[in-house]
Amino acid sequence: GAGVSQSPRYKVAKRGQDVALRCDPISGHVSLFWYQQALGQGPEFLTYFQNEAQLDKSGLPSDRFFAERPEGSVSTLKIQRTQQEDSAVYLCASSLWQGQNTEAFFGQGTRLTVV
Amino acid sequence: GNSVTQMEGPVTLSEEAFLTINCTYTATGYPSLFWYVQYPGEGLQLLLKATKADDKGSNKGFEATYRKETTSFHLEKGSVQVSDSAVYFCALSAWGNNRLAFGKGNQVVVIP
Repeated sequence: GAGVSQSPRYKVAKRGQDVALRCDPISGHVSLFWYQQALGQGPEFLTYFQNEAQLDKSGLPSDRFFAERPEGSVSTLKIQRTQQEDSAVYLCASSLWQGQNTEAFFGQGTRLTVV
Repeated sequence: GNSVTQMEGPVTLSEEAFLTINCTYTATGYPSLFWYVQYPGEGLQLLLKATKADDKGSNKGFEATYRKETTSFHLEKGSVQVSDSAVYFCALSAWGNNRLAFGKGNQVVVIP
């Protein structure tokens, strides 16, 4: 079936604006991760869901960041009162199981630019 | 903590040359190791993996061996093609789930 889909692909936000980024994982995938990738860097972990349960949010940089996956499929990452340092590519990944060796499938990401 | 270090800087080489990208890691427990690749305009995709010491992962002519004694997982390919031009990320998983810690990535440019 289709891969991981993220929308929008590009988002420009004025500083202080709220944004919502959407992730449609591969159907049936249990695990879902969000990562933040700054320019020239590797992706950094933000948060992890197993079905609808958010099991780890230790990577969220501040309380302005919030993620949800209410029905265990689509997930939304919300950033309130955006700041310039939030500019990055936000990646979503899903996998069939949660095991350490399980392949993660990545979306193309949402590039957020805060001006 | 768990982290990955990749060699600095882009890699530029001619077609059919030998490619090596160095990767070392720090981890508690028994991590699984991965190489992910990002082709222009595409998302990250798994290239190869190894889940225990001395395992060799291989795919598309690329190889990497899990070396516990040197905490390394270097990526190699004997003869690169222009189509191998991409960004390569070394990563590990060590949390019991498949959360990943990535290195900074290396841009590889293969010139015809």
